[in-house]
Amino acid sequence: TQLLEQSPQFLSIQEGENLTVYCNSSSVFSSLQWYRQEPGEGPVLLVTVVTGGEVKKLKRLTFQFGDARKDSSLHITAAQPGDTGLYLCAGWGAGNMLTFGGGTRLMVKP
Amino acid sequence: SQTIHQWPATLVQPVGSPLSLECTVEGTSNPNLYWYRQAAGRGLQLLFYSVGIGQISSEVPQNLSASRPQDRQFILSSKKLLLSDSGFYLCAWEHTGEGQYFGPGTRLTVT
Repeated sequence: TQLLEQSPQFLSIQEGENLTVYCNSSSVFSSLQWYRQEPGEGPVLLVTVVTGGEVKKLKRLTFQFGDARKDSSLHITAAQPGDTGLYLCAGWGAGNMLTFGGGTRLMVKP
Repeated sequence: SQTIHQWPATLVQPVGSPLSLECTVEGTSNPNLYWYRQAAGRGLQLLFYSVGIGQISSEVPQNLSASRPQDRQFILSSKKLLLSDSGFYLCAWEHTGEGQYFGPGTRLTVT
């Protein structure tokens, strides 16, 4: 079973601060995705990273896939209250199945 | 564009009662379909997935079952609900290797 561990599990910061969320595994994934979920709604896909070392930017969000394709990070610059939510990483691995991490709950206070 | 629907949005059922949650997808054909359960504020537990009509794979042994009677319809069922079945149920579709697109979810409370 391939596992994805996210850290931290919870993060509470002030508006304007920077933060990084990590997603780690001992397994190799062919690609990795990040989702954001708001309370009472389904997750929404933010980005897919495929190549080891790949970096993708989505406005103030920067996503990086590790060189060995075992880990990923999400960095948010100048966080805003609208960034509040549950961030989930998910990796495509063996058996052609998507494995989800446990999530990082982010709260950005105004 | 593709859309995914789930209903009902919320459900309160007594222990021992049956369950039927429905998920339908529009705007795409032959999608892979998934049922997940999510504990409060945490990650997703895959329950069932289907790569085609009548093809169901179960990831977790439990008192739940799934069926796919039509290409874009996925149903989650139970004959007798347990308290531990309470949770947020999410349906998702995808084409293999691409991102998954989730429905709005069903909040199930078993009392």
